[in-house]
Amino acid sequence: AQTVTQSQPEMSVQEAETVTLSCTYDTSESDYYLFWYKQPPSRQMILVIRQEAYKQQNATENRFSVNFQKAAKSFSLKISDSQLGDAAMYFCAYRTFETSGSRLTFGEGTQLTVNP
Amino acid sequence: GAVVSQHPSRVICKSGTSVKIECRSLDFQATTMFWYRQFPKKSLMLMATSNEGSKATYEQGVEKDKFLINHASLTLSTLTVTSAHPEDSSFYICSAKAGGPYNEQFFGPGTRLTVL
Repeated sequence: AQTVTQSQPEMSVQEAETVTLSCTYDTSESDYYLFWYKQPPSRQMILVIRQEAYKQQNATENRFSVNFQKAAKSFSLKISDSQLGDAAMYFCAYRTFETSGSRLTFGEGTQLTVNP
Repeated sequence: GAVVSQHPSRVICKSGTSVKIECRSLDFQATTMFWYRQFPKKSLMLMATSNEGSKATYEQGVEKDKFLINHASLTLSTLTVTSAHPEDSSFYICSAKAGGPYNEQFFGPGTRLTVL
C-alpha cells in the first residue's frame, strides 16, 4: 500500500518570502500522480498543483512549484512571494496511475502560517 | 474547475436519529464519488468509494450499516449516518470524479455534523 508522509506539522513564513513544504511517499509503482491540495479555514479543498510521475519536468503554477525527485520519492512544494491568502493546511496526496485506481492517499498535512 | 456541492453545510441532530448528506456534481457527470471524514487539524480519511449504479466499496473499519451510501445517478450521491451518536460528530467531505484515469477529483465544501 502507498503511504504519504509530511514531516512538518506546522510551518511559518513571512509575507513575500519563500517557503518549502516537504512530502515523501512510498510506492512500488512506476507510474502515478502526485498532488498538493490547500485547505483554507473555509475547509474547501483546493488543488494547488499536480505532477505526473512519468514527467521529468517539475510542475509549476504561478507562485507554486514542486521539486519532484522520483528516485528519492520526494515531492516538495515551494511557495514563492508568500501572501496572506496562502495561509492554510496543505496536503500532499498520491494517486495510482491505473485506470481503475482513482483513490487519493493523503499525508497528514502541514499547517502554514503567513506572518505580515 | 468543476463544482461539487454538499447539503447541508452543517447539521445538528439528537443522538439516535439519522442524518442524510447530499453530494452533487453540478456541471459534470461523476462516475465515481468518494466520501471522507476529517477530524480537527487532521487529514482526510477515506470512508468509501461509490460508482454510479453499484454498491459502495467501504474502507476497512468503516461500518457499512452505519454509513449508508447511495449513488443513484451520475450527479448525486448521498451519505446517511444511521442512528447517529456523539462519536459520529465530524466534518464529512465528498469528492467527485468524472470517468477516465486523467480526470481529477473535485471536492465539495464539506458538512459539519454535530450529534448531541
